[in-house]
Amino acid sequence: DGGITQSPKYLFRKEGQNVTLSCEQNLNHDAMYWYRQDPGQGLRLIYYSQIVNDFQKGDIAEGYSVSREKKESFPLTVTSAQKNPTAFYLCATRGSRGRGRHEQYFGPGTRLTVT
Amino acid sequence: GENVEQHPSTLSVQEGDSAVIKCTYSDSASNYFPWYKQELGKRPQLIIDIRSNVGEKKDQRIAVTLNKTAKHFSLHITETQPEDSAVYFCAASRENFGNEKLTFGTGTRLTIIP
Repeated sequence: DGGITQSPKYLFRKEGQNVTLSCEQNLNHDAMYWYRQDPGQGLRLIYYSQIVNDFQKGDIAEGYSVSREKKESFPLTVTSAQKNPTAFYLCATRGSRGRGRHEQYFGPGTRLTVT
Repeated sequence: GENVEQHPSTLSVQEGDSAVIKCTYSDSASNYFPWYKQELGKRPQLIIDIRSNVGEKKDQRIAVTLNKTAKHFSLHITETQPEDSAVYFCAASRENFGNEKLTFGTGTRLTIIP
């Protein structure tokens, strides 16, 4: 949705470099998520945060780190420890109240290529 | 943790025919089952969801059925149209238990043949 921005759309890095992917939202949603999408593997959860200053590891957290210092922002750092970092990364948010509280809204994604 | 399996991985149907995509889940405590549609080059978007206290839900040409005993749920698309071509993902979660997170299936690429 337009309320979630991820930048840049395409990102290229050399192997061994850390890189930070941006995710910003103006939906006033409490929960934010980072997924990795690879062909044939669906969406796999990397990290998620239910509230500011708190976050939990997802299913594939190794080699990644996050912070949640502001409600609007949930940046993801792909470290040099991540063995296969080339992928499409999607950020999502979820509201905390109302009829749509269970729905996750996705950003446009960042395609990261590491060579 | 939860494990969601989705079949088939690819599906081609003639325009106007019906399409069915099936998912199974492992965690009997899962109680929320959404379906997302991802068109080529776009972000996933929720198309329909169902909670464990309901067996079936319908929204125009799409419907979802849930069998809690067998731990499987299905997406049904009737009178398919070219714009239904996309990748569809099922997911499951334990809502209202805290630390709510979705576990996704691996996706089904649906192609509608004109």
